[in-house]
Amino acid sequence: DAGITQSPRHKVTETGTPVTLRCHQTENHRYMYWYRQDPGHGLRLIHYSYGVKDTDKGEVSDGYSVSRSKTEDFLLTLESATSSQTSVYFCAIGGDQETQYFGPGTRLLVL
Amino acid sequence: AQSVTQPDIHITVSEGASLELRCNYSYGATPYLFWYVQSPGQGLQLLLKYFSGDTLVQGIKGFEAEFKRSQSSFNLRKPSVHWSDAAEYFCAVFMDSNYQLIWGAGTKLIIKP
Repeated sequence: DAGITQSPRHKVTETGTPVTLRCHQTENHRYMYWYRQDPGHGLRLIHYSYGVKDTDKGEVSDGYSVSRSKTEDFLLTLESATSSQTSVYFCAIGGDQETQYFGPGTRLLVL
Repeated sequence: AQSVTQPDIHITVSEGASLELRCNYSYGATPYLFWYVQSPGQGLQLLLKYFSGDTLVQGIKGFEAEFKRSQSSFNLRKPSVHWSDAAEYFCAVFMDSNYQLIWGAGTKLIIKP
């Protein structure tokens, strides 16, 4: 398995609070991605990074920000969590031949 | 616009029977195609991928997929399913314009004993 970890694995928070999810890789891959997965919507890209300090928006970026200060870490921040951001969040890294490898996911519940 | 369609939301198959999951894509260039599997409560695992060459691709867990350019399809097959194959399966196509994957909505595979 690719060396990808996500923390926390589960989180419960309240509406209006900021939340930061962390993705850590040991593979030294350039590309990293944040997705959310919701029933009926499949996987949707939130943000991605193509290098340190280089990030871009995905399909559903509103209400989210990201940062990448080191190759190995990609942080996803919910500025002010809302109930619509209750979801399962997956980090992925871009490996060889454009293949993406996924982390175990973070389950976030916003009350 | 580029897209990936998995026409079947759910498929039910008896254990030991053969399986085919459908995937159709819309993409102008030569596609890079993927199948991933997600077991309940787990992350996504790569089953197989097609980049070029032989259009019949072998993957893990006894799965294979065939790329048919004329039909814009990349269907996943397994000759005999096991109860442990119950999961959700996702097809995806890679866009080299922005280094992103376009995902199908997934097909949930249910295995009847």
